[in-house]
Amino acid sequence: GAVVSQHPSWVICKSGTSVKIECRSLDFQATTMFWYRQFPKQSLMLMATSNEGSKATYEQGVEKDKFLINHASLTLSTLTVTSAHPEDSSFYICSATIAGGVAVDTQYFGPGTRLTVL
Amino acid sequence: GQSLEQPSEVTAVEGAIVQINCTYQTSGFYGLSWYQQHDGGAPTFLSYNALDGLEETGRFSSFLSRSDSYGYLLLQELQMKDSASYFCAVFYSGNTPLVFGKGTRLSVIA
Repeated sequence: GAVVSQHPSWVICKSGTSVKIECRSLDFQATTMFWYRQFPKQSLMLMATSNEGSKATYEQGVEKDKFLINHASLTLSTLTVTSAHPEDSSFYICSATIAGGVAVDTQYFGPGTRLTVL
Repeated sequence: GQSLEQPSEVTAVEGAIVQINCTYQTSGFYGLSWYQQHDGGAPTFLSYNALDGLEETGRFSSFLSRSDSYGYLLLQELQMKDSASYFCAVFYSGNTPLVFGKGTRLSVIA
């Protein structure tokens, strides 16, 4: 089956620094990638939709200048948390859809990145 | 906005059957899916229903009633490893991001 990887799997950083998280589709091309955030014991909340070669679409309440998303190729999207603060500590999960796929079972999730900001 | 309702917690005995219900808003509904998530892990796809009826995959089955805006996940022959959070999620149109419910935490006890 299709595999999505994320790097790093976990990261601890100081407040005020920036952190980049990579999401890669390993064996398929992904025209669309989604970034989710999940706080402890809560649901996955969509942050943004990332389309290859175009600007990301952010959900209401998500600061696009704080959460920079780049989808430069069909296999890679990056999320950069700029000037991270403790309240940004969360589990960040990406998912990718196969190019041309429209069914729900063509959305594949990465293993997630746990960010802790001290 | 679009919202899904599912119970927050369910406890069941090993070997038993448990049903997790999910209701959703109908506007633009395309399909209902279920995901399993163990603590610290990412969601794992379990099933998808776009049409009314029951879909069976091993010990797990999923049901959808579009007229009732309702679906459920049925887990049979429960095992301890089934202890996890289960999320229903809806596609509201085509190739769009999933909208997740708040999740049901299933605890399987001996």
